[in-house]
Amino acid sequence: DIQMTQSPSSLSASVGDRVTITCRASQDISTYLNWYQQKPGKAPKVLIYTASSLQSGVPSRFSGSGSGTDFTLTISSLQPEDFATYYCQQSYTTPPATFGPGTKVDIK
Amino acid sequence: QVQLVQSGGEVKKPGASVKVSCKASGYTFSNYGISWVRQAPGQGLEWMGWISPYNGNTNYAPKLQGRVTMTTDTSTSTAYMELSNVRADDTAVYYCARGAWNNWGNWFDPWGQGTLVTVSS
Repeated sequence: DIQMTQSPSSLSASVGDRVTITCRASQDISTYLNWYQQKPGKAPKVLIYTASSLQSGVPSRFSGSGSGTDFTLTISSLQPEDFATYYCQQSYTTPPATFGPGTKVDIK
Repeated sequence: QVQLVQSGGEVKKPGASVKVSCKASGYTFSNYGISWVRQAPGQGLEWMGWISPYNGNTNYAPKLQGRVTMTTDTSTSTAYMELSNVRADDTAVYYCARGAWNNWGNWFDPWGQGTLVTVSS
């Protein structure tokens, strides 16, 4: 199975900061990479699919990039509602779907 | 709007079975696969398996094979996940999620609200 890693595992940032989260796959997955946001007590929701496509209704401050094994989720200007945990997920070989371990973004 | 609504929380004793439902609305149920994902307290997301409402085909995570059964009822647009012989480490929030796709990939959207299953003696 394809293994996913994320870095950092957590970060503290201030409102207005530019935030970058990295996801790495254990093998080439082209652009079969999705990003989800999960707030405490809530279900995950998709932000970015196929590495760089912004889900409808998601603010444009979120962006995704990368291909192959290395991917990035960027929040251009962190807003109070963005404090959450972010997961990457590969869909190159599904099933099984594989998620990264998550990156928690909290307030500095 | 597309929506998945799950059944309420459950408390089970070790060795029992639990069945969680996921009722879909706002789209043609048979056209999209349903996956189940669970999240233990304070932990990450674990994919459990997938079912096609169109033909009933399933694919389960190897670690759950033999204990998990996924079914659908197309007459009510409802998916079910049954886990047997539960143990303490099955305590988790269980989510259903619809599969979405295009020519370049697939992803989960939307997700149900989650069902907390607690296993305790």
